[in-house]
Amino acid sequence: DGGITQSPKYLFRKEGQNVTLSCEQNLNHDAMYWYRQDPGQGLRLIYYSQIVNDFQKGDIAEGYSVSREKKESFPLTVTSAQKNPTAFYLCASSSTGTSGVRSSDTQYFGPGTRLTVL
Amino acid sequence: EDQVTQSPEALRLQEGESSSLNCSYTVSGLRGLFWYRQDPGKGPEFLFTLYSAGEEKEKERLKATLTKKESFLHITAPKPEDSATYLCAALLSGYSTLTFGKGTMLLVSP
Repeated sequence: DGGITQSPKYLFRKEGQNVTLSCEQNLNHDAMYWYRQDPGQGLRLIYYSQIVNDFQKGDIAEGYSVSREKKESFPLTVTSAQKNPTAFYLCASSSTGTSGVRSSDTQYFGPGTRLTVL
Repeated sequence: EDQVTQSPEALRLQEGESSSLNCSYTVSGLRGLFWYRQDPGKGPEFLFTLYSAGEEKEKERLKATLTKKESFLHITAPKPEDSATYLCAALLSGYSTLTFGKGTMLLVSP
């Protein structure tokens, strides 16, 4: 089955700790995205990557870091500099970020990781 | 500032009571308008993409339409299993990222 997997489903972080959220896709998509979702808020973009070894900051990148060493993987690290990390984190992918082909615009989402700071 | 606004924030319907959800956008150069369904604690599930004013797409009890300023998600004779949060998002020309609205939480009572 093709799809996007995120792990873990639930994650607990202590103050001052860095944690890494995993996102893997086997859809052969070029572009991958990380969003944060808080109650009553829309999805907010943290980082995105359109190609391996390249990524761009989104609207709320402070306190987060990413890497894109493989096409299939786009891990997100929530650092201790992120003051309010408790949220639901969603990873998504699309076939390409810059293509003029319309069908490639659609982003498909993983099941999410809920991060709680203790 | 480009924005996507969804209304109402929450909607409660009786089973079989048809209604519409609204997604209005104040963006220039719309390249695509996307609708997603999200169940509690899960990732959004893709429903529709609309590209041109006048375009319509249907899936079971759902129909999405697009004008130059807004999109509607019409729900015909809803069932309790249609209860979810519905998200819309806009893709702008020259950009590769989506701008999301805050969603409409739909509750369909039996």
